[in-house]
Amino acid sequence: DGGITQSPKYLFRKEGQNVTLSCEQNLNHDAMYWYRQDPGQGLRLIYYSQIVNDFQKGDIAEGYSVSREKKESFPLTVTSAQKNPTAFYLCASQPARTVRTEAFFGQGTRLTVV
Amino acid sequence: RKEVEQDPGPFNVPEGATVAFNCTYSNSASQSFFWYRQDCRKEPKLLMSVYSSGNEDGRFTAQLNRASQYISLLIRDSKLSDSATYLCVVNPIGGKLIFGQGTELSVKP
Repeated sequence: DGGITQSPKYLFRKEGQNVTLSCEQNLNHDAMYWYRQDPGQGLRLIYYSQIVNDFQKGDIAEGYSVSREKKESFPLTVTSAQKNPTAFYLCASQPARTVRTEAFFGQGTRLTVV
Repeated sequence: RKEVEQDPGPFNVPEGATVAFNCTYSNSASQSFFWYRQDCRKEPKLLMSVYSSGNEDGRFTAQLNRASQYISLLIRDSKLSDSATYLCVVNPIGGKLIFGQGTELSVKP
């Protein structure tokens, strides 16, 4: 089955640690996105990539890093510089440069700092 | 001004009511428009795409007004199961997806 998979579903991090969230898609989509959602809030864009080996900062990129070495994979690292990382993280993918093509989301990762 | 703005919620309506959500966007180059539904603690899922001529899917109708740069979603005969947050999404060709902040709908018996 084609789809987009995020792992893990739940993640606990100690303060000062870096953690990496996985996002993999087998839809052959060019574009991939990372969003953060806080309780009762909308989605805020962290990073996005429209092609392998290229990515752009979103609205809240500070304290996060990404890589796009393969078309299928777009991992997000939450670094210790991110002061308030507890949130729901969503990854999405989309065929790029075409009209009327919706994005598909993974099931999300809930990150909690303990 | 935010790139995409939605009606602030929440909307509390009785079963059977008709409810409308509006969304405005600032980038006139935007080409693709969508409504997503997000249930509590879940990922957003596509509800419907929005086409220039307007489109309908059962109880749901989406409209696009390019001149005024807004899209709308109408839900007729609301069901309890329609309770969710509705997200407006705008996408210029080759550009990034831009989400509105969402409008929460609560349908009561």
